Amino acid sequence: GENVEQHPSTLSVQEGDSAVIKCTYSDSASNYFPWYKQELGKGPQLIIDIRSNVGEKKDQRIAVTLNKTAKHFSLHITETQPEDSAVYFCAASETGGSYIPTFGRGTSLIVHP
Amino acid sequence: IAGITQAPTSQILAAGRRMTLRCTQDMRHNAMYWYRQDLGLGLRLIHYSNTAGTTGKGEVPDGYSVSRANTDDFPLTLASAVPSQTSVYFCASSDAAGALQFFGPGTRLTVL
Repeated sequence: GENVEQHPSTLSVQEGDSAVIKCTYSDSASNYFPWYKQELGKGPQLIIDIRSNVGEKKDQRIAVTLNKTAKHFSLHITETQPEDSAVYFCAASETGGSYIPTFGRGTSLIVHP
Repeated sequence: IAGITQAPTSQILAAGRRMTLRCTQDMRHNAMYWYRQDLGLGLRLIHYSNTAGTTGKGEVPDGYSVSRANTDDFPLTLASAVPSQTSVYFCASSDAAGALQFFGPGTRLTVL
Protein backbone atom coordinates (compact mmCIF):
# COMPACT_ATOMS: atom_id res chain seq x y z
CA GLY A 1 0.00 0.00 0.00
CA GLU A 2 0.86 3.68 -0.09
CA ASN A 3 3.21 5.18 2.50
CA VAL A 4 3.50 8.94 2.99
CA GLU A 5 6.33 10.49 4.97
CA GLN A 6 6.07 14.14 6.04
CA HIS A 7 8.82 16.42 7.35
CA PRO A 8 9.41 18.29 9.52
CA SER A 9 7.05 17.39 12.34
CA THR A 10 7.44 20.90 13.78
CA LEU A 11 8.39 24.12 12.02
CA SER A 12 8.89 27.45 13.72
CA VAL A 13 9.34 30.64 11.65
CA GLN A 14 9.21 34.38 12.11
CA GLU A 15 6.36 36.33 10.59
CA GLY A 16 7.19 37.25 7.02
CA ASP A 17 9.53 34.30 6.47
CA SER A 18 8.78 31.41 4.13
CA ALA A 19 7.83 27.91 5.28
CA VAL A 20 8.34 24.68 3.37
CA ILE A 21 6.86 21.29 4.26
CA LYS A 22 7.92 18.20 2.34
CA CYS A 23 6.24 14.86 1.71
CA THR A 24 7.36 11.70 -0.04
CA TYR A 25 5.15 8.88 -1.25
CA SER A 26 5.82 5.32 -2.31
CA ASP A 27 3.09 4.31 -4.77
CA SER A 28 3.76 5.52 -8.31
CA ALA A 29 0.05 5.05 -9.10
CA SER A 30 -0.90 7.95 -6.80
CA ASN A 31 -2.14 10.86 -8.86
CA TYR A 32 -3.81 13.26 -6.44
CA PHE A 33 -1.99 15.17 -3.69
CA PRO A 34 -4.02 17.45 -1.40
CA TRP A 35 -2.82 19.58 1.50
CA TYR A 36 -4.99 20.20 4.54
CA LYS A 37 -4.75 22.82 7.27
CA GLN A 38 -6.06 22.01 10.72
CA GLU A 39 -6.58 24.84 13.16
CA LEU A 40 -6.86 24.14 16.87
CA GLY A 41 -10.12 22.42 17.77
CA LYS A 42 -11.29 22.08 14.18
CA GLY A 43 -11.31 19.48 11.45
CA PRO A 44 -8.76 19.59 8.59
CA GLN A 45 -9.67 21.84 5.66
CA LEU A 46 -8.28 21.61 2.13
CA ILE A 47 -6.02 24.52 1.25
CA ILE A 48 -4.52 23.43 -2.06
CA ASP A 49 -4.18 20.28 -4.15
CA ILE A 50 -2.27 19.14 -7.19
CA ARG A 51 -2.75 16.36 -9.72
CA SER A 52 -0.02 14.33 -11.31
CA ASN A 53 -0.28 16.05 -14.70
CA VAL A 54 0.89 19.34 -13.17
CA GLY A 55 4.29 20.19 -11.68
CA GLU A 56 3.33 23.28 -9.73
CA LYS A 57 0.22 25.09 -8.55
CA LYS A 58 -0.05 28.43 -6.80
CA ASP A 59 -2.80 30.19 -4.89
CA GLN A 60 -1.78 33.58 -3.51
CA ARG A 61 0.82 32.91 -0.78
CA ILE A 62 0.55 29.14 -1.04
CA ALA A 63 2.14 26.92 -3.66
CA VAL A 64 2.61 23.20 -4.11
CA THR A 65 5.24 21.49 -6.23
CA LEU A 66 5.27 17.89 -7.39
CA ASN A 67 8.16 15.77 -8.60
CA LYS A 68 6.69 12.48 -9.85
CA THR A 69 10.04 10.99 -10.72
CA ALA A 70 11.35 11.43 -7.20
CA LYS A 71 7.92 10.83 -5.68
CA HIS A 72 7.87 13.92 -3.53
CA PHE A 73 5.74 17.02 -3.21
CA SER A 74 6.09 20.15 -1.13
CA LEU A 75 3.98 22.95 0.32
CA HIS A 76 5.42 26.44 0.20
CA ILE A 77 3.97 29.31 2.21
CA THR A 78 5.46 32.75 1.58
CA GLU A 79 5.19 35.87 3.73
CA THR A 80 3.91 33.82 6.66
CA GLN A 81 1.42 35.39 9.07
CA PRO A 82 0.45 34.37 12.62
CA GLU A 83 -2.87 33.04 11.30
CA ASP A 84 -0.92 30.50 9.25
CA SER A 85 -0.07 28.77 12.54
CA ALA A 86 -1.75 25.34 12.38
CA VAL A 87 -1.09 21.68 11.70
CA TYR A 88 -0.66 20.87 8.01
CA PHE A 89 -1.24 17.42 6.52
CA CYS A 90 -0.25 16.11 3.13
CA ALA A 91 -1.99 13.17 1.50
CA ALA A 92 -1.64 10.97 -1.56
CA SER A 93 -4.25 8.90 -3.36
CA GLU A 94 -5.24 7.37 -6.66
CA THR A 95 -8.60 8.83 -7.57
CA GLY A 96 -11.47 6.63 -8.61
CA GLY A 97 -12.36 3.09 -7.64
CA SER A 98 -11.79 2.27 -3.98
CA TYR A 99 -8.55 4.14 -3.51
CA ILE A 100 -8.28 5.66 -0.05
CA PRO A 101 -6.08 8.71 0.70
CA THR A 102 -2.98 8.08 2.80
CA PHE A 103 -2.03 10.95 5.10
CA GLY A 104 1.31 12.13 6.39
CA ARG A 105 1.64 12.51 10.15
CA GLY A 106 1.35 16.28 10.06
CA THR A 107 3.54 19.35 10.56
CA SER A 108 2.89 21.81 13.34
CA LEU A 109 3.71 25.26 11.93
CA ILE A 110 4.25 28.07 14.41
CA VAL A 111 4.57 31.60 13.07
CA HIS A 112 5.99 34.01 15.63
CA PRO A 113 4.82 37.64 15.32
CA ILE B 1 -27.02 22.37 7.45
CA ALA B 2 -24.16 22.70 5.05
CA GLY B 3 -21.24 20.30 4.87
CA ILE B 4 -20.65 17.65 7.52
CA THR B 5 -21.96 17.57 11.04
CA GLN B 6 -20.85 15.29 13.86
CA ALA B 7 -22.45 14.52 17.20
CA PRO B 8 -21.73 14.64 20.01
CA THR B 9 -19.02 17.31 20.17
CA SER B 10 -17.45 15.55 23.11
CA GLN B 11 -18.23 12.62 25.35
CA ILE B 12 -16.85 10.97 28.46
CA LEU B 13 -17.63 7.27 28.52
CA ALA B 14 -17.11 4.47 31.00
CA ALA B 15 -15.12 1.49 29.73
CA GLY B 16 -17.35 -1.31 28.53
CA ARG B 17 -20.16 0.97 27.42
CA ARG B 18 -21.52 1.07 23.89
CA MET B 19 -21.27 4.36 22.01
CA THR B 20 -22.34 5.57 18.56
CA LEU B 21 -20.77 8.62 16.98
CA ARG B 22 -23.00 10.24 14.42
CA CYS B 23 -22.01 11.78 11.10
CA THR B 24 -24.28 13.41 8.52
CA GLN B 25 -23.40 15.15 5.25
CA ASP B 26 -25.67 17.11 2.95
CA MET B 27 -23.43 17.28 -0.11
CA ARG B 28 -24.67 13.99 -1.60
CA HIS B 29 -21.11 12.66 -1.57
CA ASN B 30 -20.69 9.01 -2.41
CA ALA B 31 -17.70 8.28 -0.20
CA MET B 32 -17.47 8.71 3.58
CA TYR B 33 -14.70 7.99 6.06
CA TRP B 34 -13.97 7.76 9.78
CA TYR B 35 -10.56 8.73 11.16
CA ARG B 36 -9.10 8.91 14.61
CA GLN B 37 -6.47 11.49 15.45
CA ASP B 38 -3.95 10.90 18.19
CA LEU B 39 -0.98 13.11 19.05
CA GLY B 40 2.02 12.26 16.90
CA LEU B 41 0.15 9.69 14.83
CA GLY B 42 -1.74 11.94 12.44
CA LEU B 43 -5.04 10.77 10.94
CA ARG B 44 -5.61 7.03 10.91
CA LEU B 45 -8.45 5.56 8.88
CA ILE B 46 -10.87 3.37 10.83
CA HIS B 47 -13.55 2.48 8.26
CA TYR B 48 -14.76 3.86 4.98
CA SER B 49 -17.68 3.58 2.58
CA ASN B 50 -17.40 4.23 -1.15
CA THR B 51 -21.15 4.27 -1.64
CA ALA B 52 -24.36 3.62 0.28
CA GLY B 53 -24.67 -0.04 1.20
CA THR B 54 -20.94 -0.79 1.16
CA THR B 55 -18.23 -0.43 3.81
CA GLY B 56 -14.57 -1.30 4.12
CA LYS B 57 -11.91 -1.58 6.81
CA GLY B 58 -9.17 0.95 7.20
CA GLU B 59 -5.88 0.88 9.06
CA VAL B 60 -7.31 0.54 12.61
CA PRO B 61 -10.77 -1.10 12.41
CA ASP B 62 -10.67 -3.32 15.51
CA GLY B 63 -13.27 -2.44 18.12
CA TYR B 64 -15.29 -0.30 15.69
CA SER B 65 -18.16 -0.95 13.32
CA VAL B 66 -19.97 1.19 10.76
CA SER B 67 -23.06 1.08 8.60
CA ARG B 68 -24.11 3.04 5.52
CA ALA B 69 -27.85 2.65 5.11
CA ASN B 70 -28.16 5.82 3.03
CA THR B 71 -26.00 8.43 1.32
CA ASP B 72 -26.09 11.03 4.08
CA ASP B 73 -25.38 9.12 7.30
CA PHE B 74 -22.34 7.13 8.41
CA PRO B 75 -22.46 6.24 12.14
CA LEU B 76 -19.46 4.76 13.94
CA THR B 77 -20.15 2.37 16.80
CA LEU B 78 -17.88 1.27 19.62
CA ALA B 79 -19.49 -1.93 20.89
CA SER B 80 -17.57 -2.04 24.17
CA ALA B 81 -15.35 1.01 24.68
CA VAL B 82 -11.80 0.67 26.01
CA PRO B 83 -9.44 3.42 27.25
CA SER B 84 -7.22 3.07 24.14
CA GLN B 85 -10.15 4.37 22.10
CA THR B 86 -9.76 7.77 23.77
CA SER B 87 -9.16 10.04 20.78
CA VAL B 88 -10.57 12.72 18.55
CA TYR B 89 -12.73 11.23 15.81
CA PHE B 90 -13.26 12.89 12.45
CA CYS B 91 -15.79 12.01 9.82
CA ALA B 92 -15.11 13.01 6.21
CA SER B 93 -16.75 12.72 2.83
CA SER B 94 -15.76 13.05 -0.81
CA ASP B 95 -17.63 12.97 -4.09
CA ALA B 96 -15.41 10.11 -5.28
CA ALA B 97 -13.09 7.67 -3.61
CA GLY B 98 -9.61 9.10 -3.21
CA ALA B 99 -10.62 12.66 -4.08
CA LEU B 100 -10.78 15.86 -2.07
CA GLN B 101 -12.24 15.26 1.36
CA PHE B 102 -14.42 17.49 3.48
CA PHE B 103 -14.03 16.96 7.22
CA GLY B 104 -16.47 17.40 10.07
CA PRO B 105 -15.61 19.32 13.25
CA GLY B 106 -14.72 16.18 15.20
CA THR B 107 -15.86 14.35 18.33
CA ARG B 108 -13.58 14.25 21.35
CA LEU B 109 -14.10 10.93 23.11
CA THR B 110 -12.64 10.03 26.48
CA VAL B 111 -12.99 6.45 27.75
CA LEU B 112 -12.31 6.01 31.45
